[in-house]
Amino acid sequence: QSALTQPPSASGSPGQSVTISCTVTSSDVSFYNYVSWYQHHPGKAPKLMIYGVSRRPSGVPDRFSGSKSGNTASLTVSGLQAEDEADYYCSSYAGSNNFWVFGGGTKLTVL
Amino acid sequence: EVQLVESGGGLVKPGGSLRLSCASSGFPFSDGWMSWVRQTPGKGLEWLGRIRPGGATEYAAPVKGRFTISREDSYNTLYLQMNSLKTEDTAVYYCTTARGVVAQAASFDIWGQGTMVTVSS
Repeated sequence: QSALTQPPSASGSPGQSVTISCTVTSSDVSFYNYVSWYQHHPGKAPKLMIYGVSRRPSGVPDRFSGSKSGNTASLTVSGLQAEDEADYYCSSYAGSNNFWVFGGGTKLTVL
Repeated sequence: EVQLVESGGGLVKPGGSLRLSCASSGFPFSDGWMSWVRQTPGKGLEWLGRIRPGGATEYAAPVKGRFTISREDSYNTLYLQMNSLKTEDTAVYYCTTARGVVAQAASFDIWGQGTMVTVSS
C-alpha cells in the first residue's frame, strides 16, 4: 500500500476543471514543501508538472496548478484538453529513512 | 538536448541477475545526483535508490542488499546491478535526476523512457 493515497481515476470534459487529491496515509511521511506531480503517458518518460507543492517547471501550461492543505495535496487541471489524458502521480520526499514516496497514480480521462 | 536513455532490460529467471545502464547527455553528469525509479505492472512508481556525485549510495528497503547503483562519469553512464531477482521485480525501470531549483525541491525533472525487466521462469 502506498504511503500516499490517490483516487484511481478522475475524469472531465474538454474545457472543464478536474482536481486530483493526494493524501498522506503513513505516519512515517510528512509532506513539508516537497510535493511533486508527474504526468505519465504509457510508454513515455514521466514528466514533471508541479514541484515544491505549487511551482511549475518551464514549459508546463499554467492550466496545471498545485496546492496543499494539511495532509492532502491537490493537482488541478483547468481547461481540460485531450492531451491531458494520462496517469498522474504525486510524490514527496519523506526524509532520510523513506526518501521518496509516490502515490498509486490517478488515471485522468478526458471524456 | 538533455537526455537519459536506459538499456539492458529483458527476461530473466527468478534468482538471476541483470545490469541496466542509463546513458546521459546534455548536462554535467558528474555533478548529478542520479536515481532509479521503477513502475511495476498495475502499480505506481517506486523509488529504488540514488547515487551522489563521488559515489555514495542510498537504497530503498525492498532492494537494499540486492541492487547496487554505480556510475562511470567518464562515460556519462549510470548503472543498476540487480541480483537475486524476484518475480515482483518485474517492472519498467527509469533513471532520473534533477537540476537547479527542481533538485532543491526534491523533485525529478529529467527522466528516461525506461527499460522493461521481466522476471519469470
